[in-house]
Amino acid sequence: GAGVSQSPSNKVTEKGKDVELRCDPISGHTALYWYRQSLGQGLEFLIYFQGNSAPDKSGLPSDRFSAERTGGSVSTLTIQRTQQEDSAVYLCASSLGQGTPSGNTIYFGEGSWLTVV
Amino acid sequence: AQKVTQAQTEISVVEKEDVTLDCVYETRDTTYYLFWYKQPPSGELVFLIRRNSFDEQNEISGRYSWNFQKSTSSFNFTITASQVVDSAVYFCALRAYSGAGSYQLTFGKGTKLSVIP
Repeated sequence: GAGVSQSPSNKVTEKGKDVELRCDPISGHTALYWYRQSLGQGLEFLIYFQGNSAPDKSGLPSDRFSAERTGGSVSTLTIQRTQQEDSAVYLCASSLGQGTPSGNTIYFGEGSWLTVV
Repeated sequence: AQKVTQAQTEISVVEKEDVTLDCVYETRDTTYYLFWYKQPPSGELVFLIRRNSFDEQNEISGRYSWNFQKSTSSFNFTITASQVVDSAVYFCALRAYSGAGSYQLTFGKGTKLSVIP
């Protein structure tokens, strides 16, 4: 597609339920990132994929958070047993790759707004 | 470890005034990229500029200009003749090797710019 696409754009869920957030990166982009932005906070790195592998999961806040990527394209971020502190905007981003100058620009989707009540 | 500091949390200017947003970064890498992103009230992160660590030329694009100085580890952003549409949160970001095969973006906390008509 033309840009990074995320769904759902908005999600309200009850505390304790599981949620899945989906990301479609820009076609041909091998690198994919998930970030989280809480109200009034900056952007917090969660996880990075190169192809289907996730060499850097250092930002995942707890074992309730997991992510996968299939076919080198679509990625799903799953939050199990959601808590109120999980309420945030979850941003997905992609880039061409690591080693080329043009690949170092990371493009962001519009985000998935998650509210846990 | 990478770090980006945007000391200005919020700035208000009257329309047509010039405004400079400050950004200071820290990294041990000799090769890195610096970025500015704009986040309007709609929430999407919009890429504005990328600058690599070997290119200290200042850049001007319309009303926007950027001043990169390696000696002071700064990458400041100036808007000339500000307009109401410039009102947004502006993020400075650094991309360098962060370990585990990852080149994640490290963001500053953002500067909220309000342009008053």
